[in-house]
Amino acid sequence: AQKVTQAQTEISVVEKEDVTLDCVYETRDTTYYLFWYKQPPSGELVFLIRRNSFDEQNEISGRYSWNFQKSTSSFNFTITASQVVDSAVYFCALTTQGGSEKLVFGKGTKLTVNP
Amino acid sequence: ETGVTQTPRHLVMGMTNKKSLKCEQHLGHNAMYWYKQSAKKPLELMFVYNFKEQTENNSVPSRFSPECPNSSHLFLHLHTLQPEDSALYLCASSQAGLAGNEQYFGPGTRLTVT
Repeated sequence: AQKVTQAQTEISVVEKEDVTLDCVYETRDTTYYLFWYKQPPSGELVFLIRRNSFDEQNEISGRYSWNFQKSTSSFNFTITASQVVDSAVYFCALTTQGGSEKLVFGKGTKLTVNP
Repeated sequence: ETGVTQTPRHLVMGMTNKKSLKCEQHLGHNAMYWYKQSAKKPLELMFVYNFKEQTENNSVPSRFSPECPNSSHLFLHLHTLQPEDSALYLCASSQAGLAGNEQYFGPGTRLTVT
């Protein structure tokens, strides 16, 4: 069975601070895919990134960066110099090659960035 | 219209009403999904359609009835709902056939059952 754990329920930071959102996953499959989605107050989940299990290279996109470590089954997400517009709920998700199209989501981390 | 659209955005219905939620994707995808998002619960997958065929029913009560007339449209027919069915219902689409393709979500329908 697959499982995604986001231990941080809520995080509050002041603008310009760096913040890291944790994601730990469980799967017995050797081929799997990890995702991060952002859900602003409007409700729509916005796709941020996909990572497959064979690519452990970390990725940076502007102020966003992702740290994938298979040794600890973690796929953490860091926002550098946070902004008020980053306030949202962030979800980590997992799917496996044999799991058709099923995405397993974590419970989400609510990030509030205060001015 | 672009991406994934959902109508209505908000819906209030009584327990004896019948209503339908509509989803349309403009991305050329061939798989569509319904999710339920309740307060303080993980996103729950309800149904999956690949090429108009239902491939997943995640033990959803029969008072929820999906319909997928073509790869671009997905409906969720609702009847005799319970107050605990109040939630945000999200539709998503993806390109099926390759595992790991990202899903694109609509803005959701906020449903309140009174």
